[in-house]
Amino acid sequence: AQSVAQPEDQVNVAEGNPLTVKCTYSVSGNPYLFWYVQYPNRGLQFLLKYITGDNLVKGSYGFEAEFNKSQTSFHLKKPSALVSDSALYFCAVSPSNDYKLSFGAGTTVTVRA
Amino acid sequence: GAVVSQHPSRVICKSGTSVKIECRSLDFQATTMFWYRQFPKKSLMLMATSNEGSKATYEQGVEKDKFLINHASLTLSTLTVTSAHPEDSSFYICSAPLAGGSNEQFFGPGTRLTVL
Repeated sequence: AQSVAQPEDQVNVAEGNPLTVKCTYSVSGNPYLFWYVQYPNRGLQFLLKYITGDNLVKGSYGFEAEFNKSQTSFHLKKPSALVSDSALYFCAVSPSNDYKLSFGAGTTVTVRA
Repeated sequence: GAVVSQHPSRVICKSGTSVKIECRSLDFQATTMFWYRQFPKKSLMLMATSNEGSKATYEQGVEKDKFLINHASLTLSTLTVTSAHPEDSSFYICSAPLAGGSNEQFFGPGTRLTVL
């Protein structure tokens, strides 16, 4: 069985400061890892994914994430947060041989001006 | 990029009625689609996997007679909430994976169901 943990329900940062949203995972075999963002009453928007290759993945809106196999982590980062980054962020994992995604509980990010 | 639409975006119905939600892949074919339910400020709970041409696969604890899924074509899956009750009020989201090996899924914008 696969699972994802997002240990922080909420992350608060000031605009211009670095933003980190934590994610650890458990899956059999090679993981496919994803980050999605959700704005109120909207569906999920894709940010980035790790399939294979470089451990540092760059995605949309200046976000990046680092795959760390030894720590089974895939933390999302942005060097300089914007107020418009305030949203609900989900980490997800699937095994390489299955489309079925497992989501973390989500982390609410609030960026204050 | 791949686009998934849902219709309606919002529906309010009376208790006891049935509601159908459509999920369409607009520019790609999807033999598999997924239906999720999301409670306020909570994660997505996978309800079922919709399979074109065969029966849907339901997750444990999801009533298949309550949540009817039909995958009528390679671009359309429907979720029908039968005899809806207030506890069925939720945000329902569908997704479809793009074939090609990356397992990336594209999500619909969601449907807000309110049962009075």
